[in-house]
Amino acid sequence: GIQVEQSPPDLILQEGANSTLRCNFSDSVNNLQWFHQNPWGQLINLFYIPSGTKQNGRLSATTVATERYSLLYISSSQTTDSGVYFCAVAGARGSSNTGKLIFGQGTTLQVKP
Amino acid sequence: DAGITQSPRYKITETGRQVTLMCHQTWSHSYMFWYRQDLGHGLRLIYYSAAADITDKGEVPDGYVVSRSKTENFPLTLESATRSQTSVYFCATARQDGYEAFFGQGTRLTVV
Repeated sequence: GIQVEQSPPDLILQEGANSTLRCNFSDSVNNLQWFHQNPWGQLINLFYIPSGTKQNGRLSATTVATERYSLLYISSSQTTDSGVYFCAVAGARGSSNTGKLIFGQGTTLQVKP
Repeated sequence: DAGITQSPRYKITETGRQVTLMCHQTWSHSYMFWYRQDLGHGLRLIYYSAAADITDKGEVPDGYVVSRSKTENFPLTLESATRSQTSVYFCATARQDGYEAFFGQGTRLTVV
């Protein structure tokens, strides 16, 4: 099946710092999403970004589908950004991974005040 | 608009018992998914469904049974629960293949 690797696994920042999270995947995809899991366990949709670049406030994401990676940028981090960030992908139509939304292992972010 | 509703939110059951986790959606999305989340393993896909009466295995299907007789419901059954199935279970939906997926609040299941 499709492999999804996220890096780094853990990240500690001081409030106000910037960071970049990476997601590599092993096959062509027709869906790529970034999620934030808050301390209460809720999964929050951040970006639906199978290709291109999007921005939402202090967060932005870029997916380069031809090179099979995506980046999530967090600028001016706040303590409320703490939690686990997941990347998830679904294989392109016609592939053996069609329809399966597969998650990476996540990046655990801690923002210190 | 309730979106996705998982029930129960918390469940404790005994080893060997059958237990069913429910997932209900109000969006008429075609795709539905079940995941389990364990410490150190992220979210792993158990089963998914492309439409009513169409289901397929994910990464960790053993010990689970699903059905989808109606578009809006996708129950997950543990026919004989084991302690290794203690986990948090998430249901998700997507309008179509390749579309954005949305998650329910999760069900915390403990098998004793």
